[in-house]
Order: sequence, then C-alpha cells, then structure tokens
Amino acid sequence: KAGVTQTPRYLIKTRGQQVTLSCSPISGHRSVSWYQQTPGQGLQFLFEYFSETQRNKGNFPGRFSGRQFSNSRSEMNVSTLELGDSALYLCASSLGPNSGNTIYFGEGSWLTVV
Amino acid sequence: KQEVTQIPAALSVPEGENLVLNCSFTDSAIYNLQWFRQDPGKGLTSLLLIQSSQREQTSGRLNASLDKSSGRSTLYIAASQPGDSATYLCAVRGGSNYKLTFGKGTLLTVNP
Repeated sequence: KAGVTQTPRYLIKTRGQQVTLSCSPISGHRSVSWYQQTPGQGLQFLFEYFSETQRNKGNFPGRFSGRQFSNSRSEMNVSTLELGDSALYLCASSLGPNSGNTIYFGEGSWLTVV
Repeated sequence: KQEVTQIPAALSVPEGENLVLNCSFTDSAIYNLQWFRQDPGKGLTSLLLIQSSQREQTSGRLNASLDKSSGRSTLYIAASQPGDSATYLCAVRGGSNYKLTFGKGTLLTVNP
C-alpha cells in the first residue's frame, strides 16, 4: 500500500514568486493536513481538509492557501514568497477527522526561498 | 491554547540502555496522543497512538503511557540501539476542531 506522496521533494524559489506543493494521501484516506516545520518553530499546523472542505486553519497569513480535490489529493500554494517561508512542508493523511484515526506523514517538500 | 512540551530537548545514551522520553501538555481535554519518530530530512513515522481512555500502548521495545489528568505522557524505549537515533515528537489531538498540537521533539542519540 503506497504511503503519502509529496511532490516536489526539493525546490528553490526566489522571493516574490509563488509555489504549489502537491500531496497524494494513502488510498482510502479522505483527510489531509499540512504542516510547516522549521528549526526554530518546530511543526506548525497550516490547514486540514476533509471531503474537499477546509475544516481547520492555523495562524498563517492569507498568502498560504490550499485545496482538496474529489480524489482526496491536495495542493497548497504560497504566494509572494518570503525568505522566512523556507521550511520543510509536510502533508499528512488519515481516514477522516475522527479523533481515533492514526495520522500518516509524507516525506515532505523542502522549500528554499532565496 | 494547548501547549506541548518535551523534555529533554536532546539525550545521548550508550547502546543497550533503557530510556524514557517525556511529553507534557497544558490542556487535559484531549482525544488522543500520538508519538512519532523523525529521521533527519525525512517525514514523521507514527510509533504509537494512545486514546484518551487508555493508559498505555506497547509496540515491540516501545511503551507509551498516558496520564491525562496530570497532562503527561512518557515513551519508554527498552534496550536502545543505534538505529533508534532520531527525533521523537509527541502530538496531542484536542479541542472542538480536533486540532493536532506538536511538541518540539527530543533528539535521541544512541552511541554504539
């Protein structure tokens, strides 16, 4: 059974550009969440989607957005990139938002903003 | 607002030693707590999930306990091996929106 797949794994962008990251959840999983991980702040929650609807949103500026498609695949977009957006972006999936479900993570997308 | 703290931030032990990693949280109204392992440059691997009604979970050499009333969890690793070297994170799920809140992790180094 394939795990959570994130693409691209590594990318370098210039300040002011935008970036789109993709996440394919485990087959059958309908809940997808996104996290930003930096050495200073640790893992911070970005947003969570279930059945194409955003259920929760973290404390990030509006430059960070996401969406989920009918096949549960998800994308997140960051516009007007800043140097501080350099981070590992992690996607996780679970069967649903139910409290009892284990959450599984992808390998992440390393974003460097120069 | 839920806050999760992991102590110590880093731990170095000789191979074969038994060890305990600690996780504390400020809001005891949680649904579950999950322990993860993260290798350098990689994503997180789920180790154990403890529901709020449970006291502990075991998987191989790992045992996680949960004391919800005191806001604490421990991850016990028996007979540590160099391959156990990684960052261990705990996360609690709680609140009306089932939000998952992570600690900053404990960096474990097991020396041969």
